Amino acid sequence: NAGVTQTPKFQVLKTGQSMTLQCAQDMNHNSMYWYRQDPGMGLRLIYYSASEGTTDKGEVPNGYNVSRLNKREFSLRLESAAPSQTSVYFCASSTSQGGKDYGYTFGSGTRLTVV
Amino acid sequence: SQQGEEDPQALSIQEGENATMNCSYKTSINNLQWYRQNSGRGLVHLILIRSNEREKHSGRLRVTLDTSKKSSSLLITASRAADTASYFCATVPFSGGYQKVTFGTGTKLQVIP
Repeated sequence: NAGVTQTPKFQVLKTGQSMTLQCAQDMNHNSMYWYRQDPGMGLRLIYYSASEGTTDKGEVPNGYNVSRLNKREFSLRLESAAPSQTSVYFCASSTSQGGKDYGYTFGSGTRLTVV
Repeated sequence: SQQGEEDPQALSIQEGENATMNCSYKTSINNLQWYRQNSGRGLVHLILIRSNEREKHSGRLRVTLDTSKKSSSLLITASRAADTASYFCATVPFSGGYQKVTFGTGTKLQVIP
């Protein structure tokens, strides 16, 4: 099925561990995003990639790094996980800047708990 | 600070009734989008309304936009139990780039069968 695929769906990490969240889209979208969703906070942008080969910081980038591996794949890395990074992480993609033409397509999310 | 703010935070209605939720925002926008999120799932794009549009329909959904009041409403007519979900608005500004697209905190809708 066409869309955005995220792995893993669930993850528990110990404080200080590292991990990479994977995201791939098969819609030939130019732009990709990583958001985190916390209760009462809405979605907050962590990093985005306007096009293959470019990445930029969003609203809450501290503690994260990203790689736009190719047009399809955009990964998010936590180098040293902290309890404050417990959240649900969503990858999204869009054809145009900020989804201004057709909106965003979201993955189903990764629920991360850091203990 | 959040650009889009939904109201009410939670809404409970009987199946068959209409559900209305609102979104207010602060700065000029290029467009406003509504999304649905079922429990434990990702957001699904429902409808996009541009700043020069006042009303848009998609099936049982009706979205209005009042740029003078900086507000939008989403109406779901003849609601069904399957409409139970959280609904979010996202505002896309005229300028500022990707990082300025903001999502509200959502309206949690419960449709009782």
